[in-house]
Amino acid sequence: DTEVTQTPKHLVMGMTNKKSLKCEQHMGHRAMYWYKQKAKKPPELMFVYSYEKLSINESVPSRFSPECPNSSLLNLHLHALQPEDSALYLCASSQEGREQGEAFFGQGTRLTVV
Amino acid sequence: GNSVTQMEGPVTLSEEAFLTINCTYTATGYPSLFWYVQYPGEGLQLLLKATKADDKGSNKGFEATYRKETTSFHLEKGSVQVSDSAVYFCALSARGPMNSGYSTLTFGKGTMLLVSP
Repeated sequence: DTEVTQTPKHLVMGMTNKKSLKCEQHMGHRAMYWYKQKAKKPPELMFVYSYEKLSINESVPSRFSPECPNSSLLNLHLHALQPEDSALYLCASSQEGREQGEAFFGQGTRLTVV
Repeated sequence: GNSVTQMEGPVTLSEEAFLTINCTYTATGYPSLFWYVQYPGEGLQLLLKATKADDKGSNKGFEATYRKETTSFHLEKGSVQVSDSAVYFCALSARGPMNSGYSTLTFGKGTMLLVSP
């Protein structure tokens, strides 16, 4: 199983809503990542979790709140977002010592904030 | 810091034409190099990789060779198909601090490939 599964695939939310994005992998990877991708741009790193601890927060606004409940799951809680937060949110996982830093990506959640 | 530069697109080709997408990098240490492909409306898929100098990565007819002397990792395919139309990202992977357990990807800006019948 080399899949990273993200749900939902599409999400429309209002600026006062609270929603969560979910990501799951069963490859035994101990590093998981959230990226944000705007149209016609490369992915931008938001957060890195390693061994279920937050290792990197790329100065992301607090309206984005990551959570890693266990080694297979990664959530991104969303609250009071702005229209400019509309983007494709990608989850990825990797394992040091194997695959030489190769990251496996999910299909993404396309988020629209209205 | 690390950086990746790839040719601006879009690259427009006819089916069966030869493809080259240039990629050069700047990095400290010895990064791994990757080409990812993104089809419309989808996530990123790893196309090929190389982990050390002179390694050649290959997959689905695509090839790229890790050239340390020119800090390059150019993507080539001998005969493109309409189904190859996508955005291609060159990336390098750098390990985090020792025993951190993660690495970080630095992406190029992406090159859109459009192949017409």
